[in-house]
Amino acid sequence: DGGITQSPKYLFRKEGQNVTLSCEQNLNHDAMYWYRQDPGQGLRLIYYSQIVNDFQKGDIAEGYSVSREKKESFPLTVTSAQKNPTAFYLCASSIPTWGTNEKLFFGSGTQLSVL
Amino acid sequence: QKEVEQNSGPLSVPEGAIASLNCTYSDRGSQSFFWYRQYSGKSPELIMSIYSNGDKEDGRFTAQLNKASQYVSLLIRDSQPSDSATYLCAVKANTGGFKTIFGAGTRLFVKA
Repeated sequence: DGGITQSPKYLFRKEGQNVTLSCEQNLNHDAMYWYRQDPGQGLRLIYYSQIVNDFQKGDIAEGYSVSREKKESFPLTVTSAQKNPTAFYLCASSIPTWGTNEKLFFGSGTQLSVL
Repeated sequence: QKEVEQNSGPLSVPEGAIASLNCTYSDRGSQSFFWYRQYSGKSPELIMSIYSNGDKEDGRFTAQLNKASQYVSLLIRDSQPSDSATYLCAVKANTGGFKTIFGAGTRLFVKA
């Protein structure tokens, strides 16, 4: 089945530690995104990538890093510089169409908590 | 001013009633508008998209768009308890590439 796979489902981070969240898609989509969701809030964009080897910062990129070495994969690293990382992280992908008709396909999410 | 604003709710309606969810946006050049449904602890799923002024119906759901008023709404007819979820309004901005901006969501409770 085609889809987006995020792992792990739950992740715990110790202070000063970098952790990496995995996101893999087999939908052959060009665009991939990372969103952060805090309780009772909407989704805020961390990073996005429209093509392999290229990515752009979203609205809350500080303390995060990404790579896009393969079309299928867009891992997110939460660095020690991110002082409040506890949140639900969602990876998404889409076929970008100029100006209209974009549907985001979401993974099942990773809940990150600080120990 | 937030780019996409929604009443956080909760909105409570009895089973069988019409639920009305509202959203306003700030970027007048926005082209694409979406409603996603999110159950607690789950990822959002797209239920409606609308691109031109007027109404768009899909089963029990109707999306309404008024670009002049920068307003988009979602009506759910014959509401069911299974419709209880958070509804996220999302807008694809005309600037910044392919970014989709989400509102904070409205929690809907449908009472049996």
